[in-house]
Amino acid sequence: KNQVEQSPQSLIILEGKNCTLQCNYTVSPFSNLRWYKQDTGRGPVSLTIMTFSENTKSNGRYTATLDADTKQSSLHITASQLSDSASYICVVSTKTGNQFYFGTGTSLTVIP
Amino acid sequence: DTAVSQTPKYLVTQMGNDKSIKCEQNLGHDTMYWYKQDSKKFLKIMFSYNNKELIINETVPNRFSPKSPDKAHLNLHINSLELGDSAVYFCASSRGLGYGYTFGSGTRLTVV
Repeated sequence: KNQVEQSPQSLIILEGKNCTLQCNYTVSPFSNLRWYKQDTGRGPVSLTIMTFSENTKSNGRYTATLDADTKQSSLHITASQLSDSASYICVVSTKTGNQFYFGTGTSLTVIP
Repeated sequence: DTAVSQTPKYLVTQMGNDKSIKCEQNLGHDTMYWYKQDSKKFLKIMFSYNNKELIINETVPNRFSPKSPDKAHLNLHINSLELGDSAVYFCASSRGLGYGYTFGSGTRLTVV
């Protein structure tokens, strides 16, 4: 069964600290994996996209990793800011049939 | 210049009513989608149109009917609203099948 699971479900960190969000998937055949940031009351916004051959990709303070063998991805946020408070959603797509599988997200709260 | 715009942003209505949510994109994308986000923040696809043609129609009640007058618009009409329809509905668009999404800001529907 194609599934995407994220952990932790929620996370509270102090401003300036680093954190790592996890995404495990069983989607097959794998095409790519995206991380989205969803601010409260807004639609998700794409942070990174990773294909099978990519291990690491950075977007400013966000660094995503992908291990296609273990079917795991992580999103590392460096030097967190209050504006990082949001839900982070992992989305995995398949090569066939344009299927997108959404994780339930991690709710991140950055406190001063 | 909003890329994907949804109206209304908030909709409160009584059970049994019929309502519509409109979506427009000015990105020149060929594919548009409707997603439902439940209380647990899980995003589930409902419909997808590619060049005005329905290509994905997940198992949703037939009270939900999408309408695409042109490839820049995908409206969602809901008949006989039920309490369980309360959720946030997101419209999204992409260049085509398999490409990343641009999401609208969502419509929060509350059925009372």
